[in-house]
Amino acid sequence: NAGVTQTPKFRVLKTGQSMTLLCAQDMNHEYMYWYRQDPGMGLRLIHYSVGEGTTAKGEVPDGYNVSRLKKQNFLLGLESAAPSQTSVYFCASRASTDQPQHFGDGTRLSIL
Amino acid sequence: TQLLEQSPQFLSIQEGENLTVYCNSSSVFSSLQWYRQEPGEGPVLLVTVVTGGEVKKLKRLTFQFGDARKDSSLHITAAQPGDTGLYLCAGDLVYNQGGKLIFGQGTELSVKP
Repeated sequence: NAGVTQTPKFRVLKTGQSMTLLCAQDMNHEYMYWYRQDPGMGLRLIHYSVGEGTTAKGEVPDGYNVSRLKKQNFLLGLESAAPSQTSVYFCASRASTDQPQHFGDGTRLSIL
Repeated sequence: TQLLEQSPQFLSIQEGENLTVYCNSSSVFSSLQWYRQEPGEGPVLLVTVVTGGEVKKLKRLTFQFGDARKDSSLHITAAQPGDTGLYLCAGDLVYNQGGKLIFGQGTELSVKP
């Protein structure tokens, strides 16, 4: 049982390039989340989804887009990467609002 | 504005010492979770507390939820080097749309042998 799988694990981009981070969960969870983690700031929510076909903005959505075409996948896109988006990105899912979130192992992204 | 204030941010102690990490808020939470994160990995759930005044124990770790459900603490007795890691508290607000968690800033714990 893989749980939450994030790809890629590492990536280096140049300013202005675009890329998509993939999150896949095999637990049939309704809710999925994308966070970024920066030193001293904990986890900040970028976007989230409460079910297939739905997305919503979190605390720091600017510069990012998401899609949830299939229940098991939640994609995070950077259209034009900026150095301020250098961070570690985590995906999480939860079955319902009274269950804990399960996290992937993160994607370390550097923007030069 | 940080809804959940976690302290201290950094803690470096010797093996065998005790420590307490605090999470405080002016908001009421329906539940509060504690996670532990190791380098290169995602956070892993340690415990969830849901009732005001609740105390849960996990071996040498004791978790407490405040009576008013606005704060929580994690106490580690006789810390071991294996306890080293980043500890995160996260709360579910009472009126929570989308099951979003509010995270504290994290406490980076280093236990030296």
